[in-house]
Amino acid sequence: GAGVSQSPSNKVTEKGKDVELRCDPISGHTALYWYRQSLGQGLEFLIYFQGNSAPDKSGLPSDRFSAERTGGSVSTLTIQRTQQEDSAVYLCASSLYRESYEQYFGPGTRLTVT
Amino acid sequence: GNSVTQMEGPVTLSEEAFLTINCTYTATGYPSLFWYVQYPGEGLQLLLKATKADDKGSNKGFEATYRKETTSFHLEKGSVQVSDSAVYFCALSPRGGADGLTFGKGTHLIIQP
Repeated sequence: GAGVSQSPSNKVTEKGKDVELRCDPISGHTALYWYRQSLGQGLEFLIYFQGNSAPDKSGLPSDRFSAERTGGSVSTLTIQRTQQEDSAVYLCASSLYRESYEQYFGPGTRLTVT
Repeated sequence: GNSVTQMEGPVTLSEEAFLTINCTYTATGYPSLFWYVQYPGEGLQLLLKATKADDKGSNKGFEATYRKETTSFHLEKGSVQVSDSAVYFCALSPRGGADGLTFGKGTHLIIQP
């Protein structure tokens, strides 16, 4: 079946602009995760959704970052007023349910802030 | 907090050599442990997992044993192939938690023919 998909695959934006990153999880997966992969920080967990709710947003790097999930499916990660330090690969993953622990990752969105 | 420490590479081996990539962790409670692999140009894939102490995860000739007494989850393979060249990440997930995965920095493995 189809895996986790993310769009766009690459995004170049100017400092100060807002960007939206999209994630389509595997159909039927109730849990959805966002991560950031950068050279300096490695892989960092950002936020988790069970259904449409995110119980803990403390992993988001700053208040410029927000995320939502609608209909228990598609999720959007929004970065406002982008900064150069936001340049990274943003990864989305989904799992059948939270306790399943096996996360399936998408190919990522490479964000470059110039 | 939770953390994972793994040897950083690059690690360069000849084909058919024995592989060990060390991984140790710090976590409260009883986490589940994972090895993920990222092949060149591809996304992260789950390689193997172990959910409780003394469990051995295995896949594609790779093995790792959950050692609670040494808080370790070392990855091993008896005979590596050129196709095993990739970046390997050790990770943990708190049992019952919603914290997502905590990853190590990754180990770049290069296998030479």
